[in-house]
Amino acid sequence: NAGVMQNPRHLVRRRGQEARLRCSPMKGHSHVYWYRQLPEEGLKFMVYLQKENIIDESGMPKERFSAEFPKEGPSILRIQQVVRGDSAAYFCASSLQGLYTDTQYFGPGTRLTVL
Amino acid sequence: GQQVMQIPQYQHVQEGEDFTTYCNSSTTLSNIQWYKQRPGGHPVFLIQLVKSGEVKKQKRLTFQFGEAKKNSSLHITATQTTDVGTYFCAGRGGADGLTFGKGTHLIIQP
Repeated sequence: NAGVMQNPRHLVRRRGQEARLRCSPMKGHSHVYWYRQLPEEGLKFMVYLQKENIIDESGMPKERFSAEFPKEGPSILRIQQVVRGDSAAYFCASSLQGLYTDTQYFGPGTRLTVL
Repeated sequence: GQQVMQIPQYQHVQEGEDFTTYCNSSTTLSNIQWYKQRPGGHPVFLIQLVKSGEVKKQKRLTFQFGEAKKNSSLHITATQTTDVGTYFCAGRGGADGLTFGKGTHLIIQP
């Protein structure tokens, strides 16, 4: 039973480019969460999605960031016109049930570096 | 909004010594979860506490949830080098999502 998959594992972008981060949840999981982690910092919640729906995006920056979880395929976190401050590790987690009370299984993360 | 504070930020111990990290919330929590992240790795779920005053054990790890459901602790007895990593608590209260503390980095000296 494959765990949560994220790709790419490492992504380098120049300022102004777009970054697309992909997350495939564990089999059978329909709840996906995205987190950002800065070096030596904790995890900051960004967005919670179910298939085709954004449930809670209270942690997402208002501009340049968007997320989707289509009916088919992985969840995508998209960062437009990246800036150096976007450099961080982005983790995706999935759960069988939602409402934040269920165990979240984390993927290996995508480490984004903006030059 | 809800805030979750963790102390200490860093803890150095000699191998074999005990270790405790504390988690405090600004609001009453409906549940609290603990995660461990190894250096360069990703967070891994350890346990969830739901009931007031709950205590759960996993081998050398003891987790407690305060009576007021606003604080929690993780205690490791006789640390081993495999315990190295960052321990995060994450709490949910009311309509807020899961809020993570900044974590306690455990460094073990052999």
